[in-house]
Amino acid sequence: DAGVIQSPRHEVTEMGQEVTLRCKPISGHNSLFWYRQTMMRGLELLIYFNNNVPIDDSGMPEDRFSAKMPNASFSTLKIQPSEPRDSAVYFCASRTGTGSYEQYFGPGTRLTVT
Amino acid sequence: KNEVEQSPQNLTAQEGEFITINCSYSVGISALHWLQQHPGGGIVSLFMLSSGKKKHGRLIATINIQEKHSSLHITASHPRDSAVYICAVGSLMDSNYQLIWGAGTKLIIKP
Repeated sequence: DAGVIQSPRHEVTEMGQEVTLRCKPISGHNSLFWYRQTMMRGLELLIYFNNNVPIDDSGMPEDRFSAKMPNASFSTLKIQPSEPRDSAVYFCASRTGTGSYEQYFGPGTRLTVT
Repeated sequence: KNEVEQSPQNLTAQEGEFITINCSYSVGISALHWLQQHPGGGIVSLFMLSSGKKKHGRLIATINIQEKHSSLHITASHPRDSAVYICAVGSLMDSNYQLIWGAGTKLIIKP
């Protein structure tokens, strides 16, 4: 299996632009997580899905952030409009189901907003 | 107080030294997870354990449920072990099996 796939790996954009991050979970995994990592705050859970349904989005910082999972093999995290304070590494992770804690992480997307 | 505390925050050691990273937690847990994040950024799962001890190569993880404490040991450390080591726990109170994350320990092994 290729593991969790994220794209792009690096994104540099100007303030105010829309940014879309993409994630393909491991085939057969039912849960998908979006995390943000910064030096100041460490790893933060933004939102997670079970069976394509958003379960907890309390970590989403504000309305500028939205996430979708239209099917079991694809999810997006969108920031519109982007701000410099959104600069971080965004990780996607997947796991087999609600009975398991073990998450498998993608390589991350390093976002820089200038 | 954070529910998951790691110590030390930073650790620098010489190649060959025995390394210990600690994780203490305040919640009842179902499982504890050790992960490794290299300078390049990728996060890799090392261990998941709920009791006793696990070993993989030069890495050993132990957990004491009564004391709510886990340790990650690295024997014969090598510069390639330089990374951030993160402890995360799965709370008994969370039926969704979310993880509660520690802040990480940054380890540097000097040649």
